[in-house]
Amino acid sequence: KAGVTQTPRYLIKTRGQQVTLSCSPISGHRSVSWYQQTPGQGLQFLFEYFSETQRNKGNFPGRFSGRQFSNSRSEMNVSTLELGDSALYLCASSPTGAPQETQYFGPGTRLLVL
Amino acid sequence: SQQGEEDPQALSIQEGENATMNCSYKTSINNLQWYRQNSGRGLVHLILIRSNEREKHSGRLRVTLDTSKKSSSLLITASRAADTASYFCATPDSISGGYNKLIFGAGTRLAVHP
Repeated sequence: KAGVTQTPRYLIKTRGQQVTLSCSPISGHRSVSWYQQTPGQGLQFLFEYFSETQRNKGNFPGRFSGRQFSNSRSEMNVSTLELGDSALYLCASSPTGAPQETQYFGPGTRLLVL
Repeated sequence: SQQGEEDPQALSIQEGENATMNCSYKTSINNLQWYRQNSGRGLVHLILIRSNEREKHSGRLRVTLDTSKKSSSLLITASRAADTASYFCATPDSISGGYNKLIFGAGTRLAVHP
C-alpha cells in the first residue's frame, strides 16, 4: 500500500496570509490526525478527523482548522499566519483511530512564514 | 503539556555500540510507541508495546515497559551510522478519549559515528 502523502512538501508564506495543507491517508484508513512540530514546543496534536467529523482537538487557536472529505483525505487551514506558525506539519493515519492502533505518518509539510 | 519525558536529550556513540534511550510518562497508558525521525522529516513507526507487555523485540530494537515506574526504554544494538536520527516515545492521551491523539516526548537525538 502507498504510504501517507502530504502536499505541498515546502511552503513559504508571509504574515497575514492563509495556507491550506493536504493529507492523503493510507488506503482504507479512516482516521487522520494532524501535528505541529517546532523546535521550541516539540510535537503537538492539532486535531483528529474520522468519517468527516472532528473528534478531538488540541490547544490551538481558532485560526487552525481542518476538514475531512468522504474519501478520508484531509486538509488543514491556517488563516492570518503568524511568524510562530513556521513549523513542520505532520499528518498521520490509522484504520479507526483507536488508541491501540499504530499511526502512520506522512513526510510532512514544512511551512515558513516570513 | 507533554506526557513523555526522554533522556538523554542527546547521545553520541560509535558504530557497533549499543544505544539506550529512556522515556517516562505520567498517567496510565494503553500502549507506548516509539518513532524515529530523520533530519526533520516524517516520523517512522518503530514499535508499539502494550501495557500488558514487558518487553518486545524487532530486529536490532528492544523495548521494555515498566508500568509500575511509568517508564520505557529503547535499546538499539550494534548501531549503524544510518541509525542517526531523533527518537520519540509517544502515548495515547488518556484524558480526552484518546482517539488518535498521541502525546510525544521531547525526543533523544542519536548520533552514530563511523
